[in-house]
Amino acid sequence: DAGVIQSPRHEVTEMGQEVTLRCKPISGHNSLFWYRQTMMRGLELLIYFNNNVPIDDSGMPEDRFSAKMPNASFSTLKIQPSEPRDSAVYFCASRTGEGQPQHFGDGTRLSIL
Amino acid sequence: GESVGLHLPTLSVQEGDNSIINCAYSNSASDYFIWYKQESGKGPQFIIDIRSNMDKRQGQRVTVLLNKTVKHLSLQIAATQPGDSAVYFCAENYNNAGNMLTFGGGTRLMVKP
Repeated sequence: DAGVIQSPRHEVTEMGQEVTLRCKPISGHNSLFWYRQTMMRGLELLIYFNNNVPIDDSGMPEDRFSAKMPNASFSTLKIQPSEPRDSAVYFCASRTGEGQPQHFGDGTRLSIL
Repeated sequence: GESVGLHLPTLSVQEGDNSIINCAYSNSASDYFIWYKQESGKGPQFIIDIRSNMDKRQGQRVTVLLNKTVKHLSLQIAATQPGDSAVYFCAENYNNAGNMLTFGGGTRLMVKP
């Protein structure tokens, strides 16, 4: 079975550039989550969607961050403009419903120079 | 679980021995708990979960124990193998709607051959 698929796996770009991270959740899962992982702060929830609708974006650090889920099989996390402090591994996770475990993709390692 | 920033607690065990990884969670209202395993360069991988109406649950070579009185969770791995070397995270669900997980800082398990 295909798991959560994220692309790209690695992204290196200069500060000020727009960055778009992509996620394809597991088919049939109706909740999708975006996380950021750093050594200092660990895993932080940025935003999650239920049935393609954003439910809680309180973890989104700034207005530079935005996320969309145009359909049940695709989501994007965009950073514009990017800054060096945005460098981290960004994970997408999905699950079937409440009280069920989230399943993670292998992440996008983002480096902003 | 507590975030420990740059310094992950490390547990070093001999191959074949049993491992016990501990986690203190923060919210007495949390009702669902998950253990994840994260290998280098990969996303967190679901291992086992437990709901607050249980105090023990067993999987293949793994057992999770929940002590709600002291807000403590543990993961026991039987006959630890080199492939078990990874960072292990506990996560608690503290939102009554069942959607949000809070992750601990993680424990690094090192298995010596």
